[in-house]
Amino acid sequence: KQEVTQIPAALSVPEGENLVLNCSFTDSAIYNLQWFRQDPGKGLTSLLLIQSSQREQTSGRLNASLDKSSGRSTLYIAASQPGDSATYLCAAANAGGTSYGKLTFGQGTILTVHP
Amino acid sequence: EAQVTQNPRYLITVTGKKLTVTCSQNMNHEYMSWYRQDPGLGLRQIYYSMNVEVTDKGDVPEGYKVSRKEKRNFPLILESPSPNQTSLYFCASRTAGFQETQYFGPGTRLLVL
Repeated sequence: KQEVTQIPAALSVPEGENLVLNCSFTDSAIYNLQWFRQDPGKGLTSLLLIQSSQREQTSGRLNASLDKSSGRSTLYIAASQPGDSATYLCAAANAGGTSYGKLTFGQGTILTVHP
Repeated sequence: EAQVTQNPRYLITVTGKKLTVTCSQNMNHEYMSWYRQDPGLGLRQIYYSMNVEVTDKGDVPEGYKVSRKEKRNFPLILESPSPNQTSLYFCASRTAGFQETQYFGPGTRLLVL
């Protein structure tokens, strides 16, 4: 059974810092690895999706990498801003058995960027 | 605008009173899914549907029912709600292909007294 772990659980940084959020998964049989952002009281917004054949994806100040063999993904946020404050979730789309690409989520990293 | 909508957004009910949370998407997606989100447990899948009339259990299906009579709608039914079903519920959809991300609704916060 796939398990996804995110470290750290919470992170507080001053504005302008570059930061890294970590995600690990136990089963490397995945279709893709996705990163989402969740604002308080809101739904999830997709940030980046890395296919299993890819090593990284970039969108603006965000860069996500994937190392399937070691079961790890990282989300790098450059020049953080207070507007980046949110909970960041990673999710593995499982490829095994009859899971049909089911997403298994980590518990998230709560990011606070203070001015 | 492409979106997933859920209703109601907030609901307070009492134990045993049947309720339905509606979910609708306007993107012609084949795959739809329900999740619940609880502190310390994260997001867990309740049920999913690969297409009309095709549904299957996720990780925590007990106490829930779903139906998929139309492609755009995927209601979540609680026949006899209990306090342990107090949670934040999300509906999501995507295309049939596994290469695409899922689009999430805004969430329904349910309190069962």
